[in-house]
Amino acid sequence: QVQLVESGGGLVEPGGSLRLSCAASNLSFRDSYVNWIRQAPGKGLEWVSYITDSGSAMKYADSVKGRFTLSWDNAKTSLFLQMNSLRAEDTAVYYCARDRRRGYGVFDYWGQGALVTVSS
Amino acid sequence: DIVMTQSPLSLPVTPGEPASISCRSSQSLLHSNGNTYLHWYLQKPGQSPQLLIYLVSNRASGVPDRFSGSGSGTDFTLKISRVEAEDVGVYYCMQGLQTPLTFGGGTKVEMK
Repeated sequence: QVQLVESGGGLVEPGGSLRLSCAASNLSFRDSYVNWIRQAPGKGLEWVSYITDSGSAMKYADSVKGRFTLSWDNAKTSLFLQMNSLRAEDTAVYYCARDRRRGYGVFDYWGQGALVTVSS
Repeated sequence: DIVMTQSPLSLPVTPGEPASISCRSSQSLLHSNGNTYLHWYLQKPGQSPQLLIYLVSNRASGVPDRFSGSGSGTDFTLKISRVEAEDVGVYYCMQGLQTPLTFGGGTKVEMK
């Protein structure tokens, strides 16, 4: 089955850290950018960040810049989103999505989402 | 940042009837390479979003031909020629011209 699978979500206190993972199953990240998009409860979609397949470039939304960091595993089959200094407003379902148009936002595969709750 | 504005917010539809959603961007989405980076996504209830239309008018793989996209510059439209029950959900337009990539606020399509 072709899919993206996120993991690592959970409950964390404000100021805490969490690391999300996005793994590809029967799907390649070659020639792709991989993005994170989040959705706060009952709200719309917000783009968070992307990384190139080589890992040579990353972009972040201003709302997470300096707090979130993207990285690949050595095999480039799993992507990690390290989230530090978490705030209540970071509470959301986080989706990873593949973009074969290299940064132009054509997300052809999405994961099922990982819920991150920031609360004391 | 490019602001994406959708209308209407809510769209009650009758099965078999047509439906239309508008999307406007705060600046032109035409790239110097000739592509216009406007895409449409559908989030069905309880599901992840899925790609419907990319580059204004190209249907994604598996998308029925009752869905069509049109527009240019800053004004775009998604049309459903004959709505079916499975089309309910929230439709989002999104610009891919520049980061931050931005989505419209969404249009909730529901059956009357």
